[in-house]
Amino acid sequence: SQTIHQWPATLVQPVGSPLSLECTVEGTSNPNLYWYRQAAGRGLQLLFYSVGIGQISSEVPQNLSASRPQDRQFILSSKKLLLSDSGFYLCAWTGQPNQPQHFGDGTRLSIL
Amino acid sequence: AQTVTQSQPEMSVQEAETVTLSCTYDTSESDYYLFWYKQPPSRQMILVIRQEAYKQQNATENRFSVNFQKAAKSFSLKISDSQLGDAAMYFCASQTNNNNDMRFGAGTRLTVKP
Repeated sequence: SQTIHQWPATLVQPVGSPLSLECTVEGTSNPNLYWYRQAAGRGLQLLFYSVGIGQISSEVPQNLSASRPQDRQFILSSKKLLLSDSGFYLCAWTGQPNQPQHFGDGTRLSIL
Repeated sequence: AQTVTQSQPEMSVQEAETVTLSCTYDTSESDYYLFWYKQPPSRQMILVIRQEAYKQQNATENRFSVNFQKAAKSFSLKISDSQLGDAAMYFCASQTNNNNDMRFGAGTRLTVKP
């Protein structure tokens, strides 16, 4: 069966520090991968999606970037974090077209 | 572009009773899919139910069912025989056929009273 792993679960970082959040999927090949951010008490905002290795589409211009170095690996990065980057970050995947997205457990990011 | 609107920030229901959560959406696509996700305090996003827009029959999953009104662009979720474990944030979402554009509503926080 397919599983999605996302880490770390919690992260506290100072302003201006770099960021790397990782997401991997097991049990499937060539998944579509997604990064979302959820502000407190709000819905999900799509940040990036990827349909294949090296293919990244950005939904919202901001301080973050994404990369897909391997088929089932999706990384969210920043060179210098801002206070506004705080939030809950969720990775998701989908396989067959028009199937629901399946989510990782999320990363709670706090910027101090 | 798609938009999804959940007009009820909070709802409450008595245990064993029935509650309906509202959702409206707007899309220019003719082929799309609608979902309800549940997010408990653990913050996992759990798929509750899925509806294909081309299907007239309302989806049902155990105690969860939807009322899909395509002309009105309405997609409400009915939870029957509510249980304490149903307490969570519920998000309505729509996804276009190209599978890269899923939009979420702002969510409805459901409280279940014992």
